[in-house]
Amino acid sequence: EAGVVQSPRYKIIEKKQPVAFWCNPISGHNTLYWYRQNLGQGPELLIRYENEEAVDDSQLPKDRFSAERLKGVDSTLKIQPAELGDSAVYLCASSLDGGTRETQYFGPGTRLLVL
Amino acid sequence: AQKITQTQPGMFVQEKEAVTLDCTYDTSDPSYGLFWYKQPSSGEMIFLIYQGSYDQQNATEGRYSLNFQKARKSANLVISASQLGDSAMYFCAMREGPGGSYIPTFGRGTSLIVHP
Repeated sequence: EAGVVQSPRYKIIEKKQPVAFWCNPISGHNTLYWYRQNLGQGPELLIRYENEEAVDDSQLPKDRFSAERLKGVDSTLKIQPAELGDSAVYLCASSLDGGTRETQYFGPGTRLLVL
Repeated sequence: AQKITQTQPGMFVQEKEAVTLDCTYDTSDPSYGLFWYKQPSSGEMIFLIYQGSYDQQNATEGRYSLNFQKARKSANLVISASQLGDSAMYFCAMREGPGGSYIPTFGRGTSLIVHP
């Protein structure tokens, strides 16, 4: 069974440029998560989807970040414009549903460097 | 307040020895799940073990076991017979129930180095 797929794996951009990350979850997983992981820290949730619906986006900086999950399958996270502080690893994860017992499975992440 | 606290920034263990990685959590929700993940230098988060708040027995998965002490709100990971490939970052995570909106939170992690 294929795992969570993310692309690109690495991205280097100049500040003020836009950037987009793509994620394809494990087949059949209804819940999809986007995390940001800064160096030396644990992942922080940006947004969580239950099917097509964003059910928690309180940590998403909405002035520059946007996300969508069309048709409840794959998802795109966008930053426009990027700032130096956005340099981090962006992780996508999925789970069968959003319950307390559900294990999240992570993709390899996208390492973003903003110059 | 931190919901997940991992007090050990780094740990060293000799190959074939056992090691315990500490994790304490903070929640008032009676329903929650606790998870441990391993993150090697490649960056991918790998699920290791799960413990539910209502589970009566401590979880075990191969060489991994979770020392769950509910009254102390601790969920320490025990790795037995350490291997060189166990060298990685280890993250403790919690998922609260309805009171916490099912939002998963992670600790800052512990770096484990296994030396020969």
